[in-house]
Amino acid sequence: SQQGEEDPQALSIQEGENATMNCSYKTSINNLQWYRQNSGRGLVHLILIRSNEREKHSGRLRVTLDTSKKSSSLLITASQAADTASYFCATDAIYSGGSNYKLTFGKGTLLTVNP
Amino acid sequence: NAGVTQTPKFQVLKTGQSMTLQCAQDMNHEYMSWYRQDPGMGLRLIHYSVGAGITDQGEVPNGYNVSRSTTEDFPLRLLSAAPSQTSVYFCASRFDSGSYEQYFGPGTRLTVT
Repeated sequence: SQQGEEDPQALSIQEGENATMNCSYKTSINNLQWYRQNSGRGLVHLILIRSNEREKHSGRLRVTLDTSKKSSSLLITASQAADTASYFCATDAIYSGGSNYKLTFGKGTLLTVNP
Repeated sequence: NAGVTQTPKFQVLKTGQSMTLQCAQDMNHEYMSWYRQDPGMGLRLIHYSVGAGITDQGEVPNGYNVSRSTTEDFPLRLLSAAPSQTSVYFCASRFDSGSYEQYFGPGTRLTVT
């Protein structure tokens, strides 16, 4: 079963506004990653946050991680029309019976930024 | 670097046919994986490999085979295609298992009729 679940499923905002997406997961993780997918394209890595980190920034992106609540959030500030895409969280964890990390994805949030 | 490459980009198969989706990377990554993406389902892990000669199953392995004879290549075989395998398939690679970002190929759109 999928590890992460993003919320909301879809988000529509105006250019210049901030966008916040949330991710909840079920088991202990090594790290959590966020990816972006433009329509018809492959996924592109945005940011990785390790399980011992609480917050990370990259340009207009801010990611938080709360391991006690098993949740993460992605904030995009001052959004642009070019930010229109699907955003996925992915959790990196070893699953029962296994010995290697697997990166598993949620179903994604579709963000639409209106000019 | 070409990164992660996938061929073909599009493919139409009839039920029961077999085919191999090709994936190659030139970044000397040990870890490679295959995902399928279906509407409303996100990405689901099919198979993965932590190095040449080592493969393991993901969430949805049934109907698919993989092998890893070299570090660079990780082909995905559909043994007897079924309409339920209509999907977009993504190959990905990263340096090692754990704590590294994953690089994705452009995808193969497969339709099984």
